[in-house]
Amino acid sequence: DTGVSQDPRHKITKRGQNVTFRCDPISEHNRLYWYRQTLGQGPEFLTYFQNEAQLEKSRLLSDRFSAERPKGSFSTLEIQRTEQGDSAMYLCASSLGAGINTEAFFGQGTRLTVV
Amino acid sequence: QKEVEQDPGPLSVPEGAIVSLNCTYSNSAFQYFMWYRQYSRKGPELLMYTYSSGNKEDGRFTAQVDKSSKYISLFIRDSQPSDSATYLCAMMNSGNTPLVFGKGTRLSVIA
Repeated sequence: DTGVSQDPRHKITKRGQNVTFRCDPISEHNRLYWYRQTLGQGPEFLTYFQNEAQLEKSRLLSDRFSAERPKGSFSTLEIQRTEQGDSAMYLCASSLGAGINTEAFFGQGTRLTVV
Repeated sequence: QKEVEQDPGPLSVPEGAIVSLNCTYSNSAFQYFMWYRQYSRKGPELLMYTYSSGNKEDGRFTAQVDKSSKYISLFIRDSQPSDSATYLCAMMNSGNTPLVFGKGTRLSVIA
């Protein structure tokens, strides 16, 4: 499968626990994006990387959230001390460079439920 | 006011109908306009993109952008039950800025 892969697909956690999600972008895609989507809403930008450098972070990305992309390949998104408001679909996308001619491909998402 | 407004629907049409989906936006700096389709529990997939104003056609799909009115549309001709999905408009200032999405319009095409 050469698409964007996200793991796990579903995660149920208790409030206060830490969770980590993984995204494997399409090989050779140098840009990687994280979005969050809640029910009935469109995806909201969280952060993005160009290679291993984190270039932009949304104000939605509180101190409890951290993202990494070591070696410019896969990326992880960690949420510490989860809250019920963190329940959402977390989407990863990758693209080859930037601009209109470089389509961003989305993964299937990780659905997080905080109970 | 959100940067991108999109009526969430739901919109239900009979098979074969022409569907019109729309978004308005407030940021005049947006230059790139996209439409994504998202099936239930799946990630969004890019359907169409347009730069600046104008029309673009791809099979049964036509995207229109009117920058003077800050209004974009997606038309689906001869709609099929397989078109039933949520349609998200998205836009960005330049190639180096993240996409800003609308809420999505949920479409059902009834056979």
